[in-house]
Amino acid sequence: GENVEQHPSTLSVQEGDSAVIKCTYSDSASNYFPWYKQELGKGPQLIIDIRSNVGEKKDQRIAVTLNKTAKHFSLHITETQPEDSAVYFCAASNSWGKLQFGAGTQVVVTP
Amino acid sequence: NAGVTQTPKFQVLKTGQSMTLQCAQDMNHEYMSWYRQDPGMGLRLIHYSVGAGITDQGEVPNGYNVSRSTTEDFPLRLLSAAPSQTSVYFCASSSAGGSDEQYFGPGTRLTVT
Repeated sequence: GENVEQHPSTLSVQEGDSAVIKCTYSDSASNYFPWYKQELGKGPQLIIDIRSNVGEKKDQRIAVTLNKTAKHFSLHITETQPEDSAVYFCAASNSWGKLQFGAGTQVVVTP
Repeated sequence: NAGVTQTPKFQVLKTGQSMTLQCAQDMNHEYMSWYRQDPGMGLRLIHYSVGAGITDQGEVPNGYNVSRSTTEDFPLRLLSAAPSQTSVYFCASSSAGGSDEQYFGPGTRLTVT
């Protein structure tokens, strides 16, 4: 089955700096890679996703890159703001498959 | 639209007790799933359903039962609660299984003493 590893487990950044979270996956058949943000006391919410036919995707301050050869993908947050403080999860699945989540990254943005 | 709703928000059980966690969605999604979230372990899939009358096991199904009699509802039953089932439980739904956006409910925090 799929195995997703996520690093780092915690990330502290100064407001305005960039944050990068990295994930690796094991199943070469995986073709869908979403990122979820979880605020305290709430359920995870999708912030961006990428499919295997695309190498990079951007949405305002958030971007995701995918390297299929190396089986890794990353989340980049630029110009971080206090409201970016949350737990971020990466995940991977194949078509109609089960999502496998990483262990999560606690991001703290300090003013 | 209410999205995905879960009840109760909090529950304390004694070892050996049984209970049902409720989940409902109003988005007409065929795919529904249950996850548990434990510190440092991300979200682990317990059971899922690809449509009414069809369920299957996920990564950690032992000690849990599910059924799917309608598109809207997907209850999770704990048959005989154990302290190892202390966790936060999330229900999710999507229109296209694991390869599409999952809409998560607000979660149920369960403590088993």
